[in-house]
Amino acid sequence: QVQLQESGPGLVKPSQTLSLTCSVSGASISSDTYYWSWIRQPAGKGLEWIGRVHNSRGTNYNPSLKSRVTISVDTSKNQFSLKLTSVSAADTAIYYCAGVDFDFWGWKMDVWGQGTTVTVSS
Amino acid sequence: EIVLTQSPGTLSLSPGERATLSCRASQSVGSTYLAWYQQKPGQAPRLLIYGTSRRATGIPNRFSGSGSGTDFTLTISRLEPVDFAVYYCQQFNTSPYTFGQGTKLEIK
Repeated sequence: QVQLQESGPGLVKPSQTLSLTCSVSGASISSDTYYWSWIRQPAGKGLEWIGRVHNSRGTNYNPSLKSRVTISVDTSKNQFSLKLTSVSAADTAIYYCAGVDFDFWGWKMDVWGQGTTVTVSS
Repeated sequence: EIVLTQSPGTLSLSPGERATLSCRASQSVGSTYLAWYQQKPGQAPRLLIYGTSRRATGIPNRFSGSGSGTDFTLTISRLEPVDFAVYYCQQFNTSPYTFGQGTKLEIK
């Protein structure tokens, strides 16, 4: 059973860099099956897809965040990470990591972390 | 970017009733690329349906999905108290892999 766990600072100052890590258990981060993703959700609002990484197929980012986002994989630690630069209050949200895979019937984001709250404030 | 518009924004129903939730896409989405999630307060979203109509592991058969092209539907045949939550659709057809804004299903 694949499980994900987010970690990182809960408070980030404006203009600084938000850094989060997602630890993966039950699957290899190098798996050809999974695309590892980040999603965020401001309090009381909907879900926003941030981007994804595949160990060998690279990354895709939301154009609305692309200039500030980096998602990468650390195979030695079986983790993937999110870096978001130049943060502002608008980046305050619950951040989820998730795994996306696919089978005969389609694509699915079927494993999620429990989410971590990040507040941007001085 | 594919915009997904969910309706209604809020749906008020009673246990035992049938719920029909809509997800309309701004451009065509392939049937293998449309998923539905359920989210309860304080929890991460949970996958319900993928590939438009395939139930995820452990999802009861009162949940069903249908649709094609730009119009997709999530149906809950007989609502149980645990079904009252927020529901999101998501497309994997084209990056960015956008979500709808959600439908809140509340107890009437």
